[in-house]
Amino acid sequence: DQQVKQNSPSLSVQEGRISILNCDYTNSMFDYFLWYKKYPAEGPTFLISISSIKDKNEDGRFTVFLNKSAKHLSLHIVPSQPGDSAVYFCAARESNYQLIWGAGTKLIIKP
Amino acid sequence: EAGVAQSPRYKIIEKRQSVAFWCNPISGHATLYWYQQILGQGPKLLIQFQNNGVVDDSQLPKDRFSAERLKGVDSTLKIQPAKLEDSAVYLCASSSNQGGQAFFGQGTRLTVV
Repeated sequence: DQQVKQNSPSLSVQEGRISILNCDYTNSMFDYFLWYKKYPAEGPTFLISISSIKDKNEDGRFTVFLNKSAKHLSLHIVPSQPGDSAVYFCAARESNYQLIWGAGTKLIIKP
Repeated sequence: EAGVAQSPRYKIIEKRQSVAFWCNPISGHATLYWYQQILGQGPKLLIQFQNNGVVDDSQLPKDRFSAERLKGVDSTLKIQPAKLEDSAVYLCASSSNQGGQAFFGQGTRLTVV
């Protein structure tokens, strides 16, 4: 039973346009949500996070939106750049600080 | 600042053999995690250490997997005997404290044939 779902295995976006990556969760007790970025043959690196008491967090080209009623969050990247091509993981934090991870979405930025 | 170091990068073994992975966390990080990432899935926590004590090992298959962090610094994860379904990338991560931002190593890709 997946508590964190990323339903799109891959996404292709034109360079300069907006990339929107989606994540759904089932456990309303998650208190923090994180996005990690992973390049091939490397470990995941932290990108951006949002507390469950907020609905938006912005950091440069990256913005995460949280819709608690829908149990949905999304990561917006504007404008998309070739270096953004990677696998993006959504993770949710439980009260014991354990992270529950989605399966990832492979983002491909086309030149 | 040096990152999380893992070795080896790749390992191929036959089923029923044993294998060990090593991790050296970022200096001063008290919390260390071992994750298993099967192809097409997100990382799954196997075990979490706080200094040299185990915080959570609820998802560690204890009949074949073991891990230790004797001096509260580096850690080893062992599989004995390995099964085909253990083929995965094993990621080590560390954070300064429980709940803090986790930094990941490059991982060890294990193939069991």
